[in-house]
Amino acid sequence: NAGVMQNPRHLVRRRGQEARLRCSPMKGHSHVYWYRQLPEEGLKFMVYLQKENIIDESGMPKERFSAEFPKEGPSILRIQQVVRGDSAAYFCASSHPDRALPGPYNEQFFGPGTRLTVL
Amino acid sequence: GQNIDQPTEMTATEGAIVQINCTYQTSGFNGLFWYQQHAGEAPTFLSYNVLDGLEEKGRFSSFLSRSKGYSYLLLKELQMKDSASYLCAVRDNGEAAGNKLTFGGGTRVLVKP
Repeated sequence: NAGVMQNPRHLVRRRGQEARLRCSPMKGHSHVYWYRQLPEEGLKFMVYLQKENIIDESGMPKERFSAEFPKEGPSILRIQQVVRGDSAAYFCASSHPDRALPGPYNEQFFGPGTRLTVL
Repeated sequence: GQNIDQPTEMTATEGAIVQINCTYQTSGFNGLFWYQQHAGEAPTFLSYNVLDGLEEKGRFSSFLSRSKGYSYLLLKELQMKDSASYLCAVRDNGEAAGNKLTFGGGTRVLVKP
């Protein structure tokens, strides 16, 4: 019963390169969320996706960042032309689509994160 | 907009009790979550409140007052392994918002022997 999986766990890029971060949600979860955490700070929402749809990207920078969640395969967060300020931990979370489920009220389960370092 | 405030850091002694306060001002509200995050790890779910009152779960309890925009997380019988950051998060409402969470900056709790 695997949890949310993210890879790679650590990613080093030079300025100007592209970074691709992958997230596989928990089994049965079709809602995916990406958050960014700068050192010593809280998590900041970036984007919320369902299969093949971006629902809310209000937290995503307008340039260089994009996200997708295709019908098959993991969700991808893509950062083009990375800059030093992109260095952070990027967490993916997933939740079940059925709000009526009993239990922790549709909590989000977090993956282990990808730590991006831009040199 | 969303604004969530919690203290940056707290220190307590092993075996003691610590209360972490969280105040929020949000345009929408559909529940408040507390997560624990150890350094370098993923946040893990601790508690959820959507109605006013106290929710107890073993050594951890969480309280919510919607009228005051206030919550607290109470950690009892502190153990060294409780040293971590504790994140307060508010879930927005509305279908478009889905389960989007807005997090406070986190409170780093240091438990001393």
